[in-house]
Parts: sequence; C-alpha cells; structure tokens
Amino acid sequence: GAVVSQHPSRVICKSGTSVKIECRSLDFQATTMFWYRQFPKQSLMLMATSNEGSKATYEQGVEKDKFLINHASLTLSTLTVTSAHPEDSSFYICSARDRTGAFSGNTIYFGEGSWLTVV
Amino acid sequence: GQNIDQPTEMTATEGAIVQINCTYQTSGFNGLFWYQQHAGEAPTFLSYNVLDGLEEKGRFSSFLSRSKGYSYLLLKELQMKDSASYLCAVRGHTDKLIFGTGTRLQVFP
Repeated sequence: GAVVSQHPSRVICKSGTSVKIECRSLDFQATTMFWYRQFPKQSLMLMATSNEGSKATYEQGVEKDKFLINHASLTLSTLTVTSAHPEDSSFYICSARDRTGAFSGNTIYFGEGSWLTVV
Repeated sequence: GQNIDQPTEMTATEGAIVQINCTYQTSGFNGLFWYQQHAGEAPTFLSYNVLDGLEEKGRFSSFLSRSKGYSYLLLKELQMKDSASYLCAVRGHTDKLIFGTGTRLQVFP
C-alpha cells in the first residue's frame, strides 16, 4: 500500500547548524504534505502545509525563516531547521494524503518521524 | 480559535472497557480521526467519523455527535498492548489535521 517515508529517523546536530529532514511519498503523488512537531508527552502540533510548486503555509507562531519548507516535486517535501537550538529538539513527522481515490480515513499517511536532538 | 480537548491520562484494567472522550471547537469540520500512538512512533489510524453515530471496528468503536462537538473512542477487552497515547484529530476544510491534546492510556494487569 501507499507509504510515506521520512529520513533521517534520528539526527543529532550542533547548536547553530542546520539540519534537513526529507519526507517522500513512495507510490503516490502528493501535491500537499503536512509537517508536525511533537514534544515529549505532548500531542502533534501542525507546523505548516507544504504545497508542491509554491510557498508553504505556516501555522500561527511558527517561524517560516527558521523552518524552511521546500516541496520541489510531487513526491518530496523537505523541512530544514535552520540555526538549530536545543529547544528545537523534538520529534518531527510529516503526512500526506493519497488523492488517487475517494477520501477515506486511511488515505492520510504519516511518515515514520524524525527525532532531532540539538546539542 | 480551535480547541480539541481530551483527558490527559487514563488508567484501566486488562479485560475492561475504557471510553476516551474528545470535545472540539474548530473553524471547519470534515471529519474526526482517532489514532493510536506508541512513544517515538508514527500515529496508527484507528477510525474516522464524518457522520453522527457509532462506527464499530473489532474491539474499537468510535462515536461522533457533530451538534455537540463531541466524540469518543471505546476500547473493549483491553489488552496490555493497548497501553499507548490516543489522539483525536479534526480534519478541516483542507486535508490538514488538527490534533487534540492526546490521552495516555495505561492498562494494568
């Protein structure tokens, strides 16, 4: 079935550096992908909507210059955390909808998630 | 604003039944999801309700009342492996999901 893949699953970076996380739809095209962040013992918080071929739409309170999103193809969206700080350490997860058929509850797929630790 | 509220934590005994409630106030509504999530993993889809009523799927059932902005997830014959976080999420006018606060369920023997 359709799968969304994220890479890397875990990454450690130094404070002040940038790190890129990829989200790929493996067997369907995704004109829209979503990026979420999850802190320990908290729920998923929507960060932004990634739109293929156009600018991402950011949720209120999310810094667009810090969390750069690029959706250059119909199967790939990337999230770059720039000038990372320890407080950016979190679980980042993407999702995409397979629009091939009619909408149903299980046509929204999540990536495996990426653990970011900033030291 | 948008609010989706769930109890933070619940405990239950193996074999029992537990009901996890979710109340929501959102600017748009195109369905409500329930997901199960184990720590450090992606959410796993459990159910999707777009019309009022009860949807049953094995040991799990989900109920929706759109007029009340209310849903619940019912887990029957609880097993130890059901210990996890349960997230309700509302789908708005686009495909983005707004998640509730999440409920951590602990099942004891």
